[in-house]
Amino acid sequence: DAKTTQPPSMDCAEGRAANLPCNHSTISGNEYVYWYRQIHSQGPQYIIHGLKNNETNEMASLIITEDRKSSTLILPHATLRDTAVYYCIVRVAAYSGGGADGLTFGKGTHLIIQP
Amino acid sequence: DAGVTQSPTHLIKTRGQQVTLRCSPKSGHDTVSWYQQALGQGPQFIFQYYEEEERQRGNFPDRFSGHQFPNYSSELNVNALLLGDSALYLCASSLAIPAPLYEQYFGPGTRLTVT
Repeated sequence: DAKTTQPPSMDCAEGRAANLPCNHSTISGNEYVYWYRQIHSQGPQYIIHGLKNNETNEMASLIITEDRKSSTLILPHATLRDTAVYYCIVRVAAYSGGGADGLTFGKGTHLIIQP
Repeated sequence: DAGVTQSPTHLIKTRGQQVTLRCSPKSGHDTVSWYQQALGQGPQFIFQYYEEEERQRGNFPDRFSGHQFPNYSSELNVNALLLGDSALYLCASSLAIPAPLYEQYFGPGTRLTVT
């Protein structure tokens, strides 16, 4: 799986859009970009994933650059409950003979939403 | 619909002892993965069970072993505990289907302290 680089921490004012960057310059053509987050004292939670097109769901938007070497997770109207560690993960999506493969987490970005 | 549940919540053990952690997957899921999360680090993949067999393993010694039962629940066993085994142990469940969505559902974890 390709390696990802994320800033260790970021601040954002409540109600503003939080933009979390991720660099994955060695991404392969069949690798997807996934985002998970981990709120303090909880297990990680899936947010969104994409291959090359921009994606949006009820939680966030994912913007992937045309060369796919970087992406940005956007939380459109951040709330205090969005304070968490956000992980960007790059991996092949297809499962390999018997179940989904293990995820490789880095240290992520600690996003702090300021009131 | 109950999500992933883990027991116990907290556990204190002494060096050299053995410990068993338990996980019940989300309803309808058939694959269970275990992760170790040291303080300040992202989760590290230990292994994955599907159809009662270990399908994939991360870089962990044989002291770490597991089991999956016919009802898809799982146990993680750690023998000869070391101080460095102190961590949050996370269980994640998923469904083994060949689809690009890779969504693992994580439990709240078991906090293991080795003294």
